Amino acid sequence: GIQVEQSPPDLILQEGANSTLRCNFSDSVNNLQWFHQNPWGQLINLFYIPSGTKQNGRLSATTVATERYSLLYISSSQTTDSGVYFCAVVGSQGNLIFGKGTKLSVKP
Amino acid sequence: DTEVTQTPKHLVMGMTNKKSLKCEQHMGHRAMYWYKQKAKKPPELMFVYSYEKLSINESVPSRFSPECPNSSLLNLHLHALQPEDSALYLCASSQVILTHEQYFGPGTRLTVT
Repeated sequence: GIQVEQSPPDLILQEGANSTLRCNFSDSVNNLQWFHQNPWGQLINLFYIPSGTKQNGRLSATTVATERYSLLYISSSQTTDSGVYFCAVVGSQGNLIFGKGTKLSVKP
Repeated sequence: DTEVTQTPKHLVMGMTNKKSLKCEQHMGHRAMYWYKQKAKKPPELMFVYSYEKLSINESVPSRFSPECPNSSLLNLHLHALQPEDSALYLCASSQVILTHEQYFGPGTRLTVT
C-alpha cells in the first residue's frame, strides 16, 4: 500500500517564525489533504491539493505529484498554530492514509 | 456548510455496556467513514459506506457494528468493548469515495472501563 512520511516529527518555533513541513508519498495519488488537529482532537481541513500550489492567509501548500511530495508553509506563526499537522492521501479503496504527523509548538 | 456533527462528545462505558455513536452530515455526501485514533497516533480507517452500503471493513472486531440508516446518518454500535478500545472515534464524509475531499467531525472520545 501507499506509504506516507512526514518530516520533521517535532518542531518548536518562536512566535513570528516561518516553517516548512514536508510530506513524501510512495505512489501516485488522486487526492492529498493537509489537516491541523487541534488539542481537542478536531481535524481541520487546511488544503485539498492533489497538485499545484494553494494559499490561504498565512498558510500555503505545494504538491509536486510527479516527484511525490507536498510542502506546507506556515508564515508568521502564532501560538494558535500549535497542534499536529497531518498529511493524508487516498488509498485504492477511498480511505485516507495518514502520515504520522508533525507536532508543532509555537512559543510566545 | 462543511459540517459533520458527532454525538456524544465524550463517552465512558463499562465492558458489558451497549452504546452507540452517531454521526450526521447534510452536505449531500454519499460516502461516510469511521476512523479510530489512539493517543499520539494518526487516524486509522475502520469502515467506509458508499451510497449507504458497506464498502470497506478493515478487519474490525465484531464488537463494533456500523449502520448507515440513510445518506445523512452513520452510527457505530458498541458492545462488549475492551479497555484497549478507548480512543477518539472520528466520522468523516466526502461527496463520493476516492477523489473528493473528506471532512471530519469533532470526534467522540471513548473511555472503556
